Amino acid sequence: SYVLTQPPSVSVAPGQTARITCGGNNIGSKSVHWYQQKPGQAPVLVVYDDSDRPSGIPERFSGSNSGNTATLTISRVEAGDEADYYCQVWDSSSDHRRVFGGGTKLTVL
Amino acid sequence: EVQLVESGGGLVQPGGSLRLSCAASGFTFSSYSMNWVRQAPGKGLEWVSYISSSSSTIYYADSVKGRFTISRDNAKNSLYLQMNSLRAEDTAVYYCARDQRIFGVVTGFDYWGQGTLVTVSS
Repeated sequence: SYVLTQPPSVSVAPGQTARITCGGNNIGSKSVHWYQQKPGQAPVLVVYDDSDRPSGIPERFSGSNSGNTATLTISRVEAGDEADYYCQVWDSSSDHRRVFGGGTKLTVL
Repeated sequence: EVQLVESGGGLVQPGGSLRLSCAASGFTFSSYSMNWVRQAPGKGLEWVSYISSSSSTIYYADSVKGRFTISRDNAKNSLYLQMNSLRAEDTAVYYCARDQRIFGVVTGFDYWGQGTLVTVSS
């Protein structure tokens, strides 16, 4: 089955840029989606199809995907961005299951 | 406004059964494929099951295949998850999530319910 690997944690100071990676075999050939989840809340889609943003998501959130790594970039990080972030793909080669990465805890110092 | 409201969670003994429901409103439910996603306490997200808009296509995660059954009633704008032979490792918050469609292509889960907690314990 397809595996997505994320770092357990990333720390960044306010105003700096956070980069959260998501590794997978030839992930560049798949569409990657990213979710933000704050404690006690449901996940929220922040980037879809590698780099598109749903309406209402700040431009500070962006994404890229190439080779074996997809990246969620959060520019000018704010305290309110502190959350868990998950990458996700649709593995059409494996019984069409949706796969999530293990999640990354973003800490704003 | 799109709303997804789950219900039916609770405490159940190992080997028992539970049926979760997800009531949808604010959009044409019959036009969208839907999913169940769960999250064990303190753990990450795990996709559980998918059902197409017409119920013609259904997928399950290996961890629940043969024990869980996803279904929907488009006339009632409702999604269901019948869970049988429950195990301790099925303990989680269960979310229903709508598939986003962009020009007819499914891409990401764009709306989620607030979740319902299922606890499997004796």
